[in-house]
Amino acid sequence: GESVGLHLPTLSVQEGDNSIINCAYSNSASDYFIWYKQESGKGPQFIIDIRSNMDKRQGQRVTVLLNKTVKHLSLQIAATQPGDSAVYFCAETVLGDYKLSFGAGTTVTVRA
Amino acid sequence: SAVISQKPSRDICQRGTSLTIQCQVDSQVTMMFWYRQQPGQSLTLIATANQGSEATYESGFVIDKFPISRPNLTFSTLTVSNMSPEDSSIYLCSAVTGHGGTDTQYFGPGTRLTVL
Repeated sequence: GESVGLHLPTLSVQEGDNSIINCAYSNSASDYFIWYKQESGKGPQFIIDIRSNMDKRQGQRVTVLLNKTVKHLSLQIAATQPGDSAVYFCAETVLGDYKLSFGAGTTVTVRA
Repeated sequence: SAVISQKPSRDICQRGTSLTIQCQVDSQVTMMFWYRQQPGQSLTLIATANQGSEATYESGFVIDKFPISRPNLTFSTLTVSNMSPEDSSIYLCSAVTGHGGTDTQYFGPGTRLTVL
């Protein structure tokens, strides 16, 4: 079936630098996308979401970009901190359905 | 956002036994789901927990193995039946609730199950 995938399984970033995590999706019917952060031993934590009628959305230190033409999603984290070390998942769904399809996950490690 | 709790947080069980996991949301929600996260992997949807009717299962998951209850708008249970070591996973419930005008999905902390 169609799936959401991540381009890189791991990302090592220097503290203070910006991080970019990429995600490809293949279900053209998906119109709602969410980024989650999962720390060790915890459940996924909502970071930011975006609907398909937008191509960019900003939160606190995070920005999500959506390129529907190439079915690509990215999460940018500004001034990465040690607390940002976690596994990041993108997920896609159709609004109203809410059944999430998750990508494989990218492990982000922040170097001091 | 919603605050979601799960019980138990972890358990170690013997094969052939069953475990019921409880999920409690601090507010009424329309939609609740159950996911499985196998060791080192991503999340996979097991089923939609429907209030007042039978759960809707995804391909590869069946009611006899994963019976689900949802007696009201804040509570759901997932039972893992006749367990085998392959059922060792994290089981997560989620709920859809309002967030800045768009409903989004929040997760509980998960139940870490080890089957011996």
